[in-house]
Amino acid sequence: AQKVTQAQTEISVVEKEDVTLDCVYETRDTTYYLFWYKQPPSGELVFLIRRNSFDEQNEISGRYSWNFQKSTSSFNFTITASQVVDSAVYFCALSDHTGGFKTIFGAGTRLFVKA
Amino acid sequence: GAGVSQSPSNKVTEKGKDVELRCDPISGHTALYWYRQSLGQGLEFLIYFQGNSAPDKSGLPSDRFSAERTGGSVSTLTIQRTQQEDSAVYLCASSSEGGLGNTQYFGPGTRLTVL
Repeated sequence: AQKVTQAQTEISVVEKEDVTLDCVYETRDTTYYLFWYKQPPSGELVFLIRRNSFDEQNEISGRYSWNFQKSTSSFNFTITASQVVDSAVYFCALSDHTGGFKTIFGAGTRLFVKA
Repeated sequence: GAGVSQSPSNKVTEKGKDVELRCDPISGHTALYWYRQSLGQGLEFLIYFQGNSAPDKSGLPSDRFSAERTGGSVSTLTIQRTQQEDSAVYLCASSSEGGLGNTQYFGPGTRLTVL
């Protein structure tokens, strides 16, 4: 079955704290892609990262980093030194052959960063 | 255009009326997707276009929903005889190609309210 689980519905942190958003996926395919998107209060989804299943290297982009672990089927997202502007809903998504042309999105994690 | 555009940004209609939602993808993008996001929920896949054809309509919730794409560009999502449960944000996305792993870029959405 093709599935993306974001178990954390809401997270609240104080500015400058580090925060990790969890994403666990299920797929029977060996070739697949994982994504993270950010949806700020304005509503428009913003693409953050794409990772294919053959590349397990962790990635860092400024204050953002991603930890891809095939052994645990997880693709977690960490924000270091969080800022108020990071407040948003974050979606993890999966694209695989089973899903055809669909990309399956998790339910999202709402992050509140307080000043 | 520079990004995906959608119109109208907001639509309020009465139950039983038909509505048309428009999506203008990024220039040159061959794949186009429609999603629905109910309040506080994740993204629900509706339909995918590759060029003018729709290889995957599996997400359309009922025969009241239809979509077309002409000239490989603009797409229209039509909801006939709207119901209150159709109230949601309708998101459109495009990608340079269809198929596995292509990054989708989203428009700002159309917020539909059915009274």
